[in-house]
Amino acid sequence: QQQVKQSPQSLIVQKGGISIINCAYENTAFDYFPWYQQFPGKGPALLIAIRPDVSEKKEGRFTISFNKSAKQFSLHIMDSQPGDSATYFCAAKGASGSRLTFGEGTQLTVNP
Amino acid sequence: EAGVVQSPRYKIIEKKQPVAFWCNPISGHNTLYWYLQNLGQGPELLIRYENEEAVDDSQLPKDRFSAERLKGVDSTLKIQPAELGDSAVYLCASSLVQAGGEQFFGPGTRLTVL
Repeated sequence: QQQVKQSPQSLIVQKGGISIINCAYENTAFDYFPWYQQFPGKGPALLIAIRPDVSEKKEGRFTISFNKSAKQFSLHIMDSQPGDSATYFCAAKGASGSRLTFGEGTQLTVNP
Repeated sequence: EAGVVQSPRYKIIEKKQPVAFWCNPISGHNTLYWYLQNLGQGPELLIRYENEEAVDDSQLPKDRFSAERLKGVDSTLKIQPAELGDSAVYLCASSLVQAGGEQFFGPGTRLTVL
């Protein structure tokens, strides 16, 4: 059951550009929305997360925008760097005790 | 602080053979997770432990998969017998109870079933 849909599947941007990855969810009980970054041969690592009481959260070059009414959230990577090249997963989780549901991932390539 | 440790990193077996994966979570983390990650997809939860208790194993194929977490620390995931479709990366993660939902992942074990 696909409860979190992620797009695009792959993304190529130039160094210095903005990378935007989108996710949509169905379950209105979700209240925690993290983004994970995964490099080849490594496990996913938490990048940034948001709860639905705010519409935006920024940490350095990474920003999450959250639209509760549309049940959508997105990751923006400003000034993208070749070192940002990785697979990015959005995820969602409900109340304590529920599982973390991941999107299908976006493979980001930042060209130098 | 040491991260989540998994071994082996890679495993190649013939179908119908048994296989086991080991995970050592971050010290002090009560909650331990096993995930399955197929190529090009996001991780999918197999089982979650709170200390020694498996509190969510609804997605674990119990006919061939089993897991244990003795003493509430290390955990082992076993497949017996393995099938071709089990080829994937098996990820272990841990967290402080359910604190903020933040889970720390290990590097995974890549299983290839021939």
